Amino acid sequence: DADVTQTPRNRITKTGKRIMLECSQTKGHDRMYWYRQDPGLGLRLIYYSFDVKDINKGEISDGYSVSRQAQAKFSLSLESAIPNQTALYFCATGQENTGELFFGEGSRLTVL
Amino acid sequence: KNEVEQSPQNLTAQEGEFITINCSYSVGISALHWLQQHPGGGIVSLFMLSSGKKKHGRLIATINIQEKHSSLHITASHPRDSAVYICAVYFSAPLENTDKLIFGTGTRLQVFP
Repeated sequence: DADVTQTPRNRITKTGKRIMLECSQTKGHDRMYWYRQDPGLGLRLIYYSFDVKDINKGEISDGYSVSRQAQAKFSLSLESAIPNQTALYFCATGQENTGELFFGEGSRLTVL
Repeated sequence: KNEVEQSPQNLTAQEGEFITINCSYSVGISALHWLQQHPGGGIVSLFMLSSGKKKHGRLIATINIQEKHSSLHITASHPRDSAVYICAVYFSAPLENTDKLIFGTGTRLQVFP
């Protein structure tokens, strides 16, 4: 099994629909992150969580929400998807003391 | 100006060539990651550096903290090295009660047989 698993890997949806991207990890890391990647731009942080009770906004959190259901699970929701949320989304986990960083395979979202 | 700049943006090479990708940053950092992203999207961390040099197989990463610069070298490049290489710097932002990764936009490498 992959260390970090994202579902779905691909999703096409329509404007206004609610979408959830799920992430689970087997590394036992406390830290989990959601990023989006757009052509020509570096990965940008949407939300991050340092433990189940600690959720923080990143640089581009507007239009997104998250839920840390357990140490191993961190989901990203788009309550009402819009076309400029079309992007490749990555979940990542990290460990502060070792600096380890693991990424999921990415979820490609297209909003029509 | 981006806080993390990579050069070149695109790089083509013949198999066997020595490759260098550069990363410069403008913030004080605690560590730097070199990441590899293959077509299809998956991202893998190759190295994490806070000083000096690390080597793994044909890959070598160096960092100069004083000059705020890191390089990734690939010796004897191979077509399977074709990927996007991303530099990410890791710094503490205590006023925001966080530490943050800032990513470069990546260097696209193509190695031809």
